[in-house]
Amino acid sequence: GAVVSQHPSWVICKSGTSVKIECRSLDFQATTMFWYRQFPKQSLMLMATSNEGSKATYEQGVEKDKFLINHASLTLSTLTVTSAHPEDSSFYICSAPPAGPYEQYFGPGTRLTVT
Amino acid sequence: GESVGLHLPTLSVQEGDNSIINCAYSNSASDYFIWYKQESGKGPQFIIDIRSNMDKRQGQRVTVLLNKTVKHLSLQIAATQPGDSAVYFCAENNESNYQLIWGAGTKLIIKP
Repeated sequence: GAVVSQHPSWVICKSGTSVKIECRSLDFQATTMFWYRQFPKQSLMLMATSNEGSKATYEQGVEKDKFLINHASLTLSTLTVTSAHPEDSSFYICSAPPAGPYEQYFGPGTRLTVT
Repeated sequence: GESVGLHLPTLSVQEGDNSIINCAYSNSASDYFIWYKQESGKGPQFIIDIRSNMDKRQGQRVTVLLNKTVKHLSLQIAATQPGDSAVYFCAENNESNYQLIWGAGTKLIIKP
C-alpha cells in the first residue's frame, strides 16, 4: 500500500520559535496533500489543502501567515508553524491520495509541544 | 472540509465478542465511505471502504454496512482482540471532492 511519512515524529520548541514539519509520499506522487491537526479525544480537523506548484487552500479560521505550507515537489509538503505558542501544541497529521479523491493515506503524525 | 470536535464516545467489548461501531454521515451527495483506525499517538490507518452503490462489504474480520436511506454506516469487528483497541473514525467524501468529512470517532476498549 501507499506510504506517507512525517518528520519529525515529535518536537518540543520554545514559544516564539518556528517549527517545520515534513510530509513525504514515499512510493507515489501526490499533487495534493492535506494537513490536519488533532486535539486529544477529538476528531481530525482539516487545516489546509496543499497543492503542488500553487498556493495552499486554507480552511476557515486557519491563519495562513502562521501556518505556512509549501508543496515544493510531488512527494513533499511542509508545514511551518511560525512564532509558535503553547496553544499551537497539538498532533499534526498529513495525508495524501495516491490516485483520485479516494483512498487517502495518512502519515504517522507529529506531536508538537510548545513550552 | 468539515470535522466534528466532540469528546469521544466509548464502546467496551469483551475480548472475543463482536463489536459494532456506528456512524451517521452528513452529506447525501457522498458516494464513498471509509473506516479508519487510530491507535494512540499514531496517524489514522485505513481499515475498509465502501462505495454508495453497495450495502455491505467484507474484509478480514471486518464488515461495513451502509444504509443510505438513513445515512448510517456501521463497522462490525468479529472476534474482537486486544489489538483492536483504538479510536475508530468514519469518513465520507465524493468523487468531486478530495476533502474528507470526519465523524466524531468511537473509542473501542477491549475487556479481558
